[in-house]
Amino acid sequence: TQLLEQSPQFLSIQEGENLTVYCNSSSVFSSLQWYRQEPGEGPVLLVTVVTGGEVKKLKRLTFQFGDARKDSSLHITAAQTGDTGLYLCAGAGSNDYKLSFGAGTTVTVRA
Amino acid sequence: EAQVTQNPRYLITVTGKKLTVTCSQNMNHEYMSWYRQDPGLGLRQIYYSMNVEVTDKGDVPEGYKVSRKEKRNFPLILESPSPNQTSLYFCASSLSNPGWDTEAFFGQGTRLTVV
Repeated sequence: TQLLEQSPQFLSIQEGENLTVYCNSSSVFSSLQWYRQEPGEGPVLLVTVVTGGEVKKLKRLTFQFGDARKDSSLHITAAQTGDTGLYLCAGAGSNDYKLSFGAGTTVTVRA
Repeated sequence: EAQVTQNPRYLITVTGKKLTVTCSQNMNHEYMSWYRQDPGLGLRQIYYSMNVEVTDKGDVPEGYKVSRKEKRNFPLILESPSPNQTSLYFCASSLSNPGWDTEAFFGQGTRLTVV
């Protein structure tokens, strides 16, 4: 099992502030994904990164994959209350047939 | 509408009473899997299936069984449920192996309580 550690576990910020969530591992991944999960729902994919050093932007969300493909970060600019949710990173190895998930970061954006 | 459907959404049962949670997808996906989600532990994979009649253990398979007789269905069976299997369960499907940069689509979850 490839372990993914997310930090922080909880994050509470005011609307308009920025935030960063981290996902770290000692293992190399062929791809890394970020999902968001809202209460009572299953996770929904936000982005997939596959190349070391890759940066992807999705409106106010910026995702980065580490050069060594062992870590990733999610940065949200000018957070909105709609960004509230559980953010999960998930990685897959090149010879793996399964997705390993981090424990998640619960983000609360206060109005 | 593309979706993964789990049933039931909520289930309370007693220790030892066999139960089945159904999962069906309408996207013709080859890969399906079951996860359990527990506070502080994230999603842990129970079993996965790469195609019809091809299943394999995930990280926490003890106490669970699965079958994949048809491409669209992947039921999770608990032959003799115990209280430590109280959890939130998710079924997911994807076009192919998750390691090949493919999106996993999740069902809405089944909250199981074993008393």
